[in-house]
Formats: sequence, C-alpha cells, structure tokens
Amino acid sequence: DAGVIQSPRHEVTEMGQEVTLRCKPISGHDYLFWYRQTMMRGLELLIYFNNNVPIDDSGMPEDRFSAKMPNASFSTLKIQPSEPRDSAVYFCASSGAEGRGHLHFGNGTRLTVT
Amino acid sequence: EDKVVQSPLSLVVHEGDTVTLNCSYEVTNFRSLLWYKQEKKAPTFLFMLTSSGIEKKSGRLSSILDKKELFSILNITATQTGDSAVYLCAVEARYAGGTSYGKLTFGQGTILTVHP
Repeated sequence: DAGVIQSPRHEVTEMGQEVTLRCKPISGHDYLFWYRQTMMRGLELLIYFNNNVPIDDSGMPEDRFSAKMPNASFSTLKIQPSEPRDSAVYFCASSGAEGRGHLHFGNGTRLTVT
Repeated sequence: EDKVVQSPLSLVVHEGDTVTLNCSYEVTNFRSLLWYKQEKKAPTFLFMLTSSGIEKKSGRLSSILDKKELFSILNITATQTGDSAVYLCAVEARYAGGTSYGKLTFGQGTILTVHP
C-alpha cells in the first residue's frame, strides 16, 4: 500500500486566499483524521471522520475551516479566507483494524500564508 | 480537557546510553496510550498500551503503562544516532458526548538527540 497520500506537499499563499488540502487515506481504513502541527502548540486534532461521517470537529479553529469526506478514499480541508496564523504543517492520518489510535500519517502539507 | 505532559522536553545523550522518556496524562474515558516517533516528516507508530504493567518491546525500545498513576515510560537502550527524533506520547479517549473512540490528544514531545 502507498500509505496516506497528501497534496500538495508545500503551499504558499497570500492572506485572504482560499486553500484546499487533499488527502487519500489507506484503502480499507475507516477513520480519517486532520491534524495541525506548530512549534507553539504541537499536534492538534482538527477533525476526524468515521466511515466518511464527521465525528468530532471541536478542534476546528473557526468557521474559516471546513472539511469534507465525500467518499472513503478522499478528504479535503479547506481554509477560506486564509490568515498568516494558519501557517503550519497539516497532517492527514487514517486508522483501521489495528486500532483507532494506531494512526498512519501522511507526509503533511506545509502551509505558509504571507 | 484531556491533557498529556511529557518530560523532559529535550535530551542530549551519546551513543550507547540508555534513556527514559516520561509521559503523564489526565483523560476522561481512557482507552489507550500510544507512542510515536517523528523524524523529519510524519509521526510513525511505535507502541499502543492498554493494560497496566505489561511491557511492550520492539528491539531496543520498550514501554510500560501505569493506569493507576496515569503514567507511561518509553525506554531506549544502547541508543544510536538514528534514534534522534521527537518522541510523541498520545492518549486515546472517547469523544465527548458519544460512544466512539478515536480522539487522540498528543503531548508536546521529547526531542532526543544522540551524538556519536
């Protein structure tokens, strides 16, 4: 298996622009997570899905953030409008039969908002 | 609010040394504690612990959980330069108001540097 695939690897955008991050989980995994990592706050859970249904979005910072999972093999995280404080590495992760806590992370998207 | 605290925040050792990394937690509806290793990119899974007192081992790494004291340690013996990384501890809990598990709260990590 190719593992969790995220795109793009790097994204540089100007404040106010819309940003869309993409994720393809491991086939057969029924949980998908979006995390954000910064030096100051570490790894923070933004939202997670079970069988394509959002279970907990309490970590989404504000209404500028939205996430969708239209099918079992694809998810997006959108930020509109983006702000400099959104600059971070965004990780997508999935888990399955090994246990929900056993996450397989993608390589992340490094977002820079200027 | 669930909380995970790791110590020390950073550690510098020489090859061959043994290190112990600590993780304490406060969580409602605990399910499991996990250790991850993060090098340049994504965290990679090391261990999942659910029962107290049962050691998990993988090569030179081992970990144990104490559910009474809300504590876990990760030991690395005969350290090598390839062990240099950030080690993350996380706890899995049931999400508020529901019956489904899967919500992970991560600690801030321990930065381990192993010099040759």
